[in-house]
Amino acid sequence: KAGVTQTPRYLIKTRGQQVTLSCSPISGHRSVSWYQQTPGQGLQFLFEYFSETQRNKGNFPGRFSGRQFSNSRSEMNVSTLELGDSALYLCASSAKGTANTGELFFGEGSRLTVL
Amino acid sequence: GENVEQHPSTLSVQEGDSAVIKCTYSDSASNYFPWYKQELGKRPQLIIDIRSNVGEKKDQRIAVTLNKTAKHFSLHITETQPEDSAVYFCAASKVGSGYSTLTFGKGTMLLVSP
Repeated sequence: KAGVTQTPRYLIKTRGQQVTLSCSPISGHRSVSWYQQTPGQGLQFLFEYFSETQRNKGNFPGRFSGRQFSNSRSEMNVSTLELGDSALYLCASSAKGTANTGELFFGEGSRLTVL
Repeated sequence: GENVEQHPSTLSVQEGDSAVIKCTYSDSASNYFPWYKQELGKRPQLIIDIRSNVGEKKDQRIAVTLNKTAKHFSLHITETQPEDSAVYFCAASKVGSGYSTLTFGKGTMLLVSP
C-alpha cells in the first residue's frame, strides 16, 4: 500500500498570504489528522476529519481551517500567514480514527516557511 | 484537555548503554499510550504502544511501562545503537471514547555515540 502523501513538500510564503496543503491518506483510511511541528513544541494537534466531518479541533486560531473530501483526501488552509506559522505540517491517517484505534500513520510533512 | 509532559528533552548515551524517557499525563481516562520515533528529516513512526490494561510491554530492545496510579509511562531502550538516535515522542489518548485526539509530549532527542 502507498503511504500517506503530502504536497507540496516545501513552500515559501510571505506574511499575509494564504496557503493550502494537501494530504492523501493510505487507501481505505477514513480518518485524517493534521499536526503542526515546531522546534521545542513537539506535535500540536490542529484537527481531525473522519468521513468528511471534522471530529475535533485543536487550540489554533480560526485562520487555520481544513476539509476532507469524499475520497478521504484532506486539505488544510492557513490564511493571513504570520511568521509564527513557519513549521512542518504533518498529516496522519488512520483506519477508524484516533478515537477507535489510536494508531496514526504520518506523511513526510509540508515544510512551510513564512518570510 | 489532556496534557502530556515528557522528560528529558535531550538525552546523550554511549552505544550499549540503556536509555529511559519518561512521560506523565493528566487525564486519568486516557487508555492508549504510543511512542513514536522520528529520525532526522523523516516522518514519525510508531515503535511501540501500550494500553491501560497492561503494565508493561516489550519488543526486542524496547519496552514501555505504565503506572496508571501515578499517571506516568516510560520508554526503555536497552543496548542502544547509533541508529537509535532520533527524536522520540510519547502520546496519550482515550481510545473508544468516540471523540479523542492523540496528545503528544514535546519530544526527547536521543543521541547515541559510538
